[in-house]
Amino acid sequence: GAVVSQHPSWVICKSGTSVKIECRSLDFQATTMFWYRQFPKQSLMLMATSNEGSKATYEQGVEKDKFLINHASLTLSTLTVTSAHPEDSSFYICSATRTGGMNTEAFFGQGTRLTVV
Amino acid sequence: GIQVEQSPPDLILQEGANSTLRCNFSDSVNNLQWFHQNPWGQLINLFYIPSGTKQNGRLSATTVATERYSLLYISSSQTTDSGVYFCAVTPGGSYIPTFGRGTSLIVHP
Repeated sequence: GAVVSQHPSWVICKSGTSVKIECRSLDFQATTMFWYRQFPKQSLMLMATSNEGSKATYEQGVEKDKFLINHASLTLSTLTVTSAHPEDSSFYICSATRTGGMNTEAFFGQGTRLTVV
Repeated sequence: GIQVEQSPPDLILQEGANSTLRCNFSDSVNNLQWFHQNPWGQLINLFYIPSGTKQNGRLSATTVATERYSLLYISSSQTTDSGVYFCAVTPGGSYIPTFGRGTSLIVHP
Protein backbone atom coordinates (compact mmCIF):
# COMPACT_ATOMS: atom_id res chain seq x y z
CA GLY A 1 0.00 0.00 0.00
CA ALA A 2 0.90 3.63 -0.25
CA VAL A 3 2.75 5.45 2.52
CA VAL A 4 1.67 8.67 4.15
CA SER A 5 4.06 10.18 6.66
CA GLN A 6 2.94 12.67 9.28
CA HIS A 7 5.30 14.69 11.43
CA PRO A 8 5.66 15.25 14.31
CA SER A 9 4.06 12.27 16.05
CA TRP A 10 3.55 14.28 19.18
CA VAL A 11 4.12 17.85 20.27
CA ILE A 12 3.72 19.82 23.47
CA CYS A 13 3.47 23.56 23.13
CA LYS A 14 2.71 26.55 25.28
CA SER A 15 -0.61 28.30 25.04
CA GLY A 16 -0.49 31.11 22.48
CA THR A 17 2.15 29.56 20.25
CA SER A 18 1.65 28.05 16.80
CA VAL A 19 2.31 24.49 15.75
CA LYS A 20 2.84 23.16 12.23
CA ILE A 21 2.03 19.56 11.31
CA GLU A 22 3.26 18.09 8.04
CA CYS A 23 1.64 15.38 5.97
CA ARG A 24 3.59 13.83 3.11
CA SER A 25 2.67 11.19 0.58
CA LEU A 26 5.97 9.35 0.13
CA ASP A 27 5.39 7.18 -2.92
CA PHE A 28 2.47 8.72 -4.75
CA GLN A 29 1.07 12.08 -5.73
CA ALA A 30 -1.93 13.25 -3.77
CA THR A 31 -4.14 15.84 -5.37
CA THR A 32 -6.35 15.81 -2.30
CA MET A 33 -5.50 15.41 1.36
CA PHE A 34 -7.84 15.40 4.32
CA TRP A 35 -7.28 16.60 7.86
CA TYR A 36 -9.16 14.96 10.72
CA ARG A 37 -9.36 15.58 14.43
CA GLN A 38 -10.06 12.85 16.93
CA PHE A 39 -11.03 13.28 20.57
CA PRO A 40 -10.45 10.44 23.05
CA LYS A 41 -12.70 7.45 22.43
CA GLN A 42 -14.44 9.19 19.55
CA SER A 43 -14.48 8.86 15.82
CA LEU A 44 -12.56 10.92 13.32
CA MET A 45 -14.08 14.28 12.50
CA LEU A 46 -13.23 15.82 9.16
CA MET A 47 -11.81 19.29 9.58
CA ALA A 48 -10.94 20.25 6.03
CA THR A 49 -10.19 19.05 2.54
CA SER A 50 -6.88 20.22 1.16
CA ASN A 51 -6.50 20.54 -2.60
CA GLU A 52 -3.13 21.08 -4.22
CA GLY A 53 -2.72 24.60 -5.48
CA SER A 54 -5.99 25.94 -4.14
CA LYS A 55 -7.59 26.97 -0.89
CA ALA A 56 -8.72 24.34 1.53
CA THR A 57 -12.39 23.60 2.06
CA TYR A 58 -13.29 23.71 5.72
CA GLU A 59 -16.10 21.85 7.41
CA GLN A 60 -18.77 23.77 9.21
CA GLY A 61 -17.62 24.93 12.61
CA VAL A 62 -13.89 24.72 11.86
CA GLU A 63 -12.13 28.07 12.16
CA LYS A 64 -10.05 28.54 9.04
CA ASP A 65 -8.01 31.32 10.64
CA LYS A 66 -7.05 29.06 13.51
CA PHE A 67 -6.34 25.94 11.45
CA LEU A 68 -4.31 27.09 8.46
CA ILE A 69 -3.92 24.53 5.71
CA ASN A 70 -1.44 24.76 2.88
CA HIS A 71 -1.13 22.21 0.09
CA ALA A 72 1.78 23.59 -1.87
CA SER A 73 2.77 20.45 -3.73
CA LEU A 74 1.34 17.10 -4.76
CA THR A 75 3.16 15.39 -1.90
CA LEU A 76 2.88 17.82 1.00
CA SER A 77 0.09 19.40 3.00
CA THR A 78 0.58 21.28 6.25
CA LEU A 79 -1.78 22.13 9.08
CA THR A 80 -0.82 25.02 11.32
CA VAL A 81 -2.65 25.45 14.58
CA THR A 82 -2.30 29.15 15.30
CA SER A 83 -2.35 30.68 18.76
CA ALA A 84 -3.00 27.27 20.27
CA HIS A 85 -5.03 26.93 23.44
CA PRO A 86 -5.61 23.92 25.72
CA GLU A 87 -8.92 23.17 24.01
CA ASP A 88 -6.98 22.58 20.78
CA SER A 89 -5.28 19.61 22.40
CA SER A 90 -6.27 16.59 20.37
CA PHE A 91 -5.12 13.89 17.97
CA TYR A 92 -4.81 15.19 14.40
CA ILE A 93 -4.62 12.79 11.47
CA CYS A 94 -4.11 13.41 7.79
CA SER A 95 -5.00 11.19 4.89
CA ALA A 96 -4.26 11.22 1.20
CA THR A 97 -5.78 9.66 -1.88
CA ARG A 98 -3.86 8.97 -5.03
CA THR A 99 -5.85 11.06 -7.45
CA GLY A 100 -8.40 12.97 -5.42
CA GLY A 101 -11.25 11.65 -7.51
CA MET A 102 -13.83 9.04 -6.67
CA ASN A 103 -13.14 5.32 -6.32
CA THR A 104 -9.83 5.86 -4.65
CA GLU A 105 -8.37 4.39 -1.50
CA ALA A 106 -7.39 6.66 1.39
CA PHE A 107 -4.13 6.18 3.29
CA PHE A 108 -3.49 7.70 6.69
CA GLY A 109 -0.54 9.25 8.43
CA GLN A 110 0.55 8.15 11.89
CA GLY A 111 -1.27 11.03 13.54
CA THR A 112 -0.01 13.88 15.70
CA ARG A 113 -0.91 14.15 19.36
CA LEU A 114 -0.98 17.83 20.27
CA THR A 115 -0.93 18.91 23.90
CA VAL A 116 -1.23 22.60 24.66
CA VAL A 117 -0.18 23.59 28.16
CA GLY B 1 -25.11 13.73 4.71
CA ILE B 2 -24.61 10.01 4.71
CA GLN B 3 -25.05 8.16 7.99
CA VAL B 4 -22.65 5.39 8.97
CA GLU B 5 -23.53 3.09 11.85
CA GLN B 6 -21.21 0.49 13.26
CA SER B 7 -22.12 -2.32 15.61
CA PRO B 8 -21.45 -3.44 18.19
CA PRO B 9 -19.85 -0.37 19.78
CA ASP B 10 -17.83 -2.54 22.15
CA LEU B 11 -16.73 -6.13 21.98
CA ILE B 12 -14.75 -8.25 24.42
CA LEU B 13 -13.41 -11.60 23.30
CA GLN B 14 -11.30 -14.41 24.56
CA GLU B 15 -8.28 -15.19 22.44
CA GLY B 16 -9.18 -17.66 19.72
CA ALA B 17 -12.79 -16.54 19.36
CA ASN B 18 -14.38 -15.36 16.11
CA SER B 19 -16.32 -12.15 15.64
CA THR B 20 -18.32 -10.19 13.11
CA LEU B 21 -18.40 -6.40 12.95
CA ARG B 22 -21.07 -4.62 10.98
CA CYS B 23 -21.22 -1.31 9.12
CA ASN B 24 -24.53 0.05 7.84
CA PHE B 25 -24.73 3.10 5.63
CA SER B 26 -27.67 5.18 4.56
CA ASP B 27 -26.91 5.91 0.90
CA SER B 28 -25.11 4.50 -2.10
CA VAL B 29 -21.33 4.60 -1.86
CA ASN B 30 -18.41 4.63 -4.25
CA ASN B 31 -15.86 3.47 -1.72
CA LEU B 32 -15.81 1.62 1.57
CA GLN B 33 -12.80 0.94 3.70
CA TRP B 34 -12.16 -0.88 6.96
CA PHE B 35 -9.40 0.34 9.28
CA HIS B 36 -7.85 -0.84 12.51
CA GLN B 37 -6.68 1.90 14.85
CA ASN B 38 -3.98 0.55 17.09
CA PRO B 39 -3.34 1.74 20.66
CA TRP B 40 -0.88 4.36 19.36
CA GLY B 41 -3.52 5.89 17.11
CA GLN B 42 -2.20 4.67 13.80
CA LEU B 43 -4.90 3.79 11.28
CA ILE B 44 -4.06 0.61 9.45
CA ASN B 45 -5.80 -0.09 6.14
CA LEU B 46 -7.50 -3.46 6.31
CA PHE B 47 -9.73 -3.57 3.27
CA TYR B 48 -10.76 -1.37 0.39
CA ILE B 49 -14.05 -3.03 -0.45
CA PRO B 50 -16.82 -1.03 -2.15
CA SER B 51 -18.43 -4.36 -3.08
CA GLY B 52 -17.80 -8.08 -2.95
CA THR B 53 -15.69 -10.17 -0.62
CA LYS B 54 -12.01 -10.07 0.22
CA GLN B 55 -9.83 -12.07 2.56
CA ASN B 56 -6.49 -11.36 4.12
CA GLY B 57 -5.27 -13.99 6.54
CA ARG B 58 -7.58 -14.23 9.52
CA LEU B 59 -9.59 -11.24 8.36
CA SER B 60 -12.21 -11.09 5.68
CA ALA B 61 -14.79 -8.55 4.62
CA THR B 62 -17.97 -8.53 2.60
CA THR B 63 -19.83 -5.52 1.27
CA VAL B 64 -23.35 -5.81 -0.11
CA ALA B 65 -23.68 -2.41 -1.69
CA THR B 66 -27.29 -2.89 -2.80
CA GLU B 67 -28.32 -3.55 0.80
CA ARG B 68 -26.00 -0.89 2.19
CA TYR B 69 -23.93 -2.84 4.64
CA SER B 70 -20.50 -4.32 5.10
CA LEU B 71 -19.22 -6.99 7.46
CA LEU B 72 -15.74 -7.53 8.84
CA TYR B 73 -14.95 -11.02 10.06
CA ILE B 74 -12.14 -11.72 12.49
CA SER B 75 -11.33 -15.37 13.03
CA SER B 76 -9.14 -16.90 15.75
CA SER B 77 -8.71 -13.52 17.39
CA GLN B 78 -5.39 -12.58 18.97
CA THR B 79 -4.54 -10.00 21.62
CA THR B 80 -2.89 -7.90 18.92
CA ASP B 81 -6.29 -7.54 17.26
CA SER B 82 -7.34 -5.24 20.11
CA GLY B 83 -8.10 -1.69 19.14
CA VAL B 84 -10.83 0.22 17.36
CA TYR B 85 -12.18 -0.85 14.00
CA PHE B 86 -13.56 1.88 11.78
CA CYS B 87 -15.63 1.71 8.66
CA ALA B 88 -15.35 4.70 6.31
CA VAL B 89 -17.53 5.27 3.28
CA THR B 90 -17.40 7.71 0.39
CA PRO B 91 -20.89 8.46 -0.88
CA GLY B 92 -21.76 8.59 -4.54
CA GLY B 93 -21.00 11.98 -6.03
CA SER B 94 -18.43 12.78 -3.34
CA TYR B 95 -14.79 12.01 -2.68
CA ILE B 96 -14.85 12.72 1.06
CA PRO B 97 -14.77 9.69 3.40
CA THR B 98 -17.19 9.63 6.31
CA PHE B 99 -16.34 7.53 9.33
CA GLY B 100 -18.54 5.48 11.59
CA ARG B 101 -18.12 5.66 15.36
CA GLY B 102 -16.07 2.48 15.41
CA THR B 103 -16.14 -0.81 17.28
CA SER B 104 -13.80 -1.05 20.23
CA LEU B 105 -12.42 -4.58 20.47
CA ILE B 106 -10.57 -6.04 23.43
CA VAL B 107 -9.12 -9.52 23.12
CA HIS B 108 -8.10 -11.13 26.38
CA PRO B 109 -5.37 -13.80 26.54
